[in-house]
Amino acid sequence: KQEVTQIPAALSVPEGENLVLNCSFTDSAIYNLQWFRQDPGKGLTSLLLIQSSQREQTSGRLNASLDKSSGRSTLYIAASQPGDSATYLCAVLFMEYGNKLVFGAGTILRVKS
Amino acid sequence: GAVVSQHPSRVICKSGTSVKIECRSLDFQATTMFWYRQFPKQSLMLMATSNEGSKATYEQGVEKDKFLINHASLTLSTLTVTSAHPEDSSFYICSARDLGAVAYEQYFGPGTRLTVT
Repeated sequence: KQEVTQIPAALSVPEGENLVLNCSFTDSAIYNLQWFRQDPGKGLTSLLLIQSSQREQTSGRLNASLDKSSGRSTLYIAASQPGDSATYLCAVLFMEYGNKLVFGAGTILRVKS
Repeated sequence: GAVVSQHPSRVICKSGTSVKIECRSLDFQATTMFWYRQFPKQSLMLMATSNEGSKATYEQGVEKDKFLINHASLTLSTLTVTSAHPEDSSFYICSARDLGAVAYEQYFGPGTRLTVT
């Protein structure tokens, strides 16, 4: 069974700090990996998608890396702001499963002002 | 960017009644749509994969007679929760894959909060 694990489960940092969220997955045969943000009671906002052939993607203060061989991805958030407070979800599209995204349990981030 | 809508955003129904949730891709065609369920403080769990013009594929443990899925067009899939019970109360989220996208990216709707009383 393919699994996605996110560490830490929760993180609290002061405003302005740079931070890293971690995602690991059990099989290197993937189509892509996506990072999402979810605010309480809301749907998902796609942050970054990294295709299997790529090593990283950047959008503003966010940078996501992908190391398929080790089954790891990191989401780096620079100069964190209170508005970054949310749950961050990592999801992997495994080749074995074809269509199905497998989600991690998420990291709850709180940025204190 | 690709937009997926869901309707309603929130619904309260009585136990024993049925509820229909719509998922629409607004600016692209989607041969495949997905239905997820999320319990409080938990991650998303795939319930079923909906393919236009064919029967949905349900995940293990999901009752197909209880969660009826119809994907009648390239822009619309519906999930009907039949004979709803309080344990069906949850956050239901759909996603759609863009027919023209090369990266297998899924676009997610805003979710529907179902409360069964």
